Amino acid sequence: SAVISQKPSRDICQRGTSLTIQCQVDSQVTMMFWYRQQPGQSLTLIATANQGSEATYESGFVIDKFPISRPNLTFSTLTVSNMSPEDSSIYLCSVDLAWTEGGNEQFFGPGTRLTVL
Amino acid sequence: QKEVEQDPGPLSVPEGAIVSLNCTYSNSAFQYFMWYRQYSRKGPELLMYTYSSGNKEDGRFTAQVDKSSKYISLFIRDSQPSDSATYLCATLGGSNYKLTFGKGTLLTVNP
Repeated sequence: SAVISQKPSRDICQRGTSLTIQCQVDSQVTMMFWYRQQPGQSLTLIATANQGSEATYESGFVIDKFPISRPNLTFSTLTVSNMSPEDSSIYLCSVDLAWTEGGNEQFFGPGTRLTVL
Repeated sequence: QKEVEQDPGPLSVPEGAIVSLNCTYSNSAFQYFMWYRQYSRKGPELLMYTYSSGNKEDGRFTAQVDKSSKYISLFIRDSQPSDSATYLCATLGGSNYKLTFGKGTLLTVNP
């Protein structure tokens, strides 16, 4: 298993500002994921972050809006830039650990609850 | 059509009831089927997973997959107030390592 912490746990921000969310894992992992969870919506993958390479963004998400850093195998940050009220959401990071059966289990952090005014 | 469809509920049942949670999916390449449980203000945690079709039982929980109809189910027997949470189905498979989630069903078990 993996234990994941996120900072901050919640924040209230003004429109037009940026917020950086930190994710720390208690073991070294290759892949880290950033998700958004909006009310009434599916958990949506924003991007996949591998250490030492550029993050891979999903359709509808761009690096200018959601820059990601992955400086080592236990840490990543997601920045929500130039925020608008539509960015109000829970942001979750997760890591991927392989099963012996060939599948993968993702472990999630507790999430960062962001409100943009 | 979304890849994974899940009725968001909410679903409210009395303690001791049998709960049935369901999802449908569209991609035949999916091979792993999971149920995540998310308590309020927490991240999702894996509850059960099934590979391909069939049933899997773990205590009061049974996960069922019917690949012919692309239908995923989670049954909770003798439901308890501590089962109150949002349940998310998720799929994984083919060449894609990424999870695809349903919207989640909010379950409340009333004492």
